[in-house]
Amino acid sequence: DGGITQSPKYLFRKEGQNVTLSCEQNLNHDAMYWYRQDPGQGLRLIYYSQIVNDFQKGDIAEGYSVSREKKESFPLTVTSAQKNPTAFYLCASSGGQKRENIQYFGAGTRLSVL
Amino acid sequence: SQQGEEDPQALSIQEGENATMNCSYKTSINNLQWYRQNSGRGLVHLILIRSNEREKHSGRLRVTLDTSKKSSSLLITASRAADTASYFCATAFDSWGKLQFGAGTQVVVTP
Repeated sequence: DGGITQSPKYLFRKEGQNVTLSCEQNLNHDAMYWYRQDPGQGLRLIYYSQIVNDFQKGDIAEGYSVSREKKESFPLTVTSAQKNPTAFYLCASSGGQKRENIQYFGAGTRLSVL
Repeated sequence: SQQGEEDPQALSIQEGENATMNCSYKTSINNLQWYRQNSGRGLVHLILIRSNEREKHSGRLRVTLDTSKKSSSLLITASRAADTASYFCATAFDSWGKLQFGAGTQVVVTP
């Protein structure tokens, strides 16, 4: 079954805790992205990676960290520095030409604070 | 700030009616895309229109692009209850291929 898999579907974070959201793709895409979505709002870019071992900050990177050690995987860590982490997190990938960047999304992870 | 802004924020129609939503953006673009999101799910790509195109069709979807007004519209004809979702426009504007998403239009189609 080809596509993007995000896990877990639901995640709870205690104060002061770091949590990691998983994103795996088997589409052989070079580019991967992490977005945050708040209720009733659009998507805001957290981090993106165009190639293995390289990633760039998006519009709201503070309090988050990523790694891209494998082409298939782009995990996102929500650190304790992120004071308002409750949101819906979406991972996406893209393999086409950069000028026609159609993105394919996972089903999302909903993060809440205990 | 968000590149794309959708209008209206919400739309309620009956099955069989047409649904039209608009998107405005601020800077020049390479292409504009429309995505659909069912409640609590990821986004699904619907259609892409390039900056040198004015109109595009895909099934019951019709997209127009007016680069002079920096605006686009998405028309869904003969709506079905299954079209109930949020619809987002996204603009591709830089060489990195990043997308900038609007806040979305929430569409409810009642049987």
